[in-house]
Amino acid sequence: DIQMTQSPSFLSASVGDRVTINCKASQNINRYLNWYQQKLGEAPKLLIYNANSLQTGIPSRFSGSGSGTDFTLTISSLQPEDVATYFCLQHNSWPRTFGGGTKLELK
Amino acid sequence: QVQLQQSGAELVKPGSSVKISCKASGYTFTSYDMHWIKQQPGNGLEWIGWIYPGNGNTKYNQKFNGKATLTADKSSSTAYMQLSSLTSEDSAVYFCARGVMDAWGQGASVTVSS
Repeated sequence: DIQMTQSPSFLSASVGDRVTINCKASQNINRYLNWYQQKLGEAPKLLIYNANSLQTGIPSRFSGSGSGTDFTLTISSLQPEDVATYFCLQHNSWPRTFGGGTKLELK
Repeated sequence: QVQLQQSGAELVKPGSSVKISCKASGYTFTSYDMHWIKQQPGNGLEWIGWIYPGNGNTKYNQKFNGKATLTADKSSSTAYMQLSSLTSEDSAVYFCARGVMDAWGQGASVTVSS
């Protein structure tokens, strides 16, 4: 199975900050990586698919980059409504595997 | 719009089985895979398996072989997951998600307790 190592596990930032979250795959997954946002008690919401494509309806302050084994989710200017847990998913290989999640809080 | 409506919370006894449903609307049910995912507090997310409703093909995470059985009813656009021989380790929220996991159900909580 492909291991997805996500960092950091916890992140505290201020409104307006630039925030980056990383996922590292244990082997090459090309660009088959999605990023999700999950708020407490809700279903995950797709933010970015195939490493760098913004899902319809998602604010442009969210962006993704990377290929191969190293990927980054960036929030260019943190907003209060971005408080959530973020996680990555590789869909290059079976079984699909997820990163461990990053809990983002406001400082 | 695409919607996946899951069945409600379940409280079940150890050793029993439970069947969770996921009713799809807003798209052609038979044209997209349906995935099932397990979420436990502190344990993150685990992919359980996948069914293609168009032909019933399935693929499972080896870890869930014998635990989960995926089916789909084309007539009602509903996917199902049955979990068997339940233990406390199966207590979790279970999600269905379409295709490349661009849309998710709201989750179904399963609590295994005597």
